[in-house]
Amino acid sequence: EVQLVQSGAEVKKPGESLKISCEGSGYSFSNHWVLWVRQKPGKGLEWMGIIYPSDSDIRYSPSFQGQVTISADKSISTAYLQWNSLKASDTAMYYCSRLGELAAESAAFDIWGQGTMVTVSS
Amino acid sequence: SYELTQPPSVSVSPGRTATITCSGDALANQYAYWYQQRPGQAPVLVIYDGTKRPSGIPERFSASNSGTTVTLTISGVRAEDEADYYCLSSDSSGTYWVFGGGTQLTVL
Repeated sequence: EVQLVQSGAEVKKPGESLKISCEGSGYSFSNHWVLWVRQKPGKGLEWMGIIYPSDSDIRYSPSFQGQVTISADKSISTAYLQWNSLKASDTAMYYCSRLGELAAESAAFDIWGQGTMVTVSS
Repeated sequence: SYELTQPPSVSVSPGRTATITCSGDALANQYAYWYQQRPGQAPVLVIYDGTKRPSGIPERFSASNSGTTVTLTISGVRAEDEADYYCLSSDSSGTYWVFGGGTQLTVL
């Protein structure tokens, strides 16, 4: 079964650092882009950035460039989303998703992790 | 920055047809993707490459494209279709991707 399993919920204080994970299984993790998405409470989905684990090619949304770091360790089929100094405004659900092949020359973000809730509060 | 515009809400009675639009300048030459998100759940892909349904998505879900507006149509709406729906696409260069603001579908 193709799946993405994300790390558990986190409660942090402002200024603290954090790294959350997204582990893929059931497919060739290295050869599929992984997307990170933010969803603030009661709000919509926001594209944060994507990474190609094979060579760690990363594309950030301008809105998130410099605010977070996306990385991956292909040896353990895991992608990461990291903050150096959290803010209360980082409180959100974070999802990962993979770019999968649905048909010849057709790809879409088809498999999603269950989400990781990050709460930043003093 | 590139934006996709969706109506905040759509209401429909069971068995009727719901239409949700998504507008953006680049939609004339970039594919749109549609996601369904039920409360407390991760998004689910319901349409890819503009008009195609993934395996397992009911035939009542369809989509069309007219210039810079794409439309998700749900025929014979059921109570289980009540959810938020998001379109996803890229700017004309294919570099930057964005989600629409989302549409809350209410089944009356």
